[in-house]
Amino acid sequence: DVKVTQSSRYLVKRTGEKVFLECVQDMDHENMFWYRQDPGLGLRLIYFSYDVKMKEKGDIPEGYSVSREKKERFSLILESASTNQTSMYLCASSLVTWRGLPRLSSYEQYFGPGTRLTVT
Amino acid sequence: SQQGEEDPQALSIQEGENATMNCSYKTSINNLQWYRQNSGRGLVHLILIRSNEREKHSGRLRVTLDTSKKSSSLLITASRAADTASYFCATDETYNTDKLIFGTGTRLQVFP
Repeated sequence: DVKVTQSSRYLVKRTGEKVFLECVQDMDHENMFWYRQDPGLGLRLIYFSYDVKMKEKGDIPEGYSVSREKKERFSLILESASTNQTSMYLCASSLVTWRGLPRLSSYEQYFGPGTRLTVT
Repeated sequence: SQQGEEDPQALSIQEGENATMNCSYKTSINNLQWYRQNSGRGLVHLILIRSNEREKHSGRLRVTLDTSKKSSSLLITASRAADTASYFCATDETYNTDKLIFGTGTRLQVFP
């Protein structure tokens, strides 16, 4: 079974602190994703990585950065946490679509349990 | 950018009844997926339907896709209390099927 783990289930930080959220997957997936989930807004993509050291901005990258030094690990960094970054953060991984699928197919994404971050 | 919108936002039914959730999206897609999220947890993949498919079944789940109306429905038959969760549709981007765009979800409550 694919396992995606996140470093913390609950986190409380102060405004201005630097925050690291870690995500690790054990299935050799190329793609990794960071989403935030807020009531009424669904899941919104923050950043996406399709390979080591590669990253792409999602829909809401402002205030966030990411790091992917190893294939299995994808870190989300809040350089200076603000109260509007209080949210549920979800990490996900998937195989890259060129790996054996017909063109224009998709693989499912596997999600971690989430980190509920509160910034006070 | 938000692609999918689920309807209804919330649904309450009794065990044994069927639950139907709908998803509408805005642009053309290659694939549509449905996910379930138990309260405060991560999402779990349920089913994927390709744009050239009209219907797909998996156990008690039945998904339909109407690309002309840009809509999909998820039917859960003979629901159980354990089906209580939020359900999300997700569509891919036209030129990047690795990225998914999630809707806002339908919250399903199944009473025993």
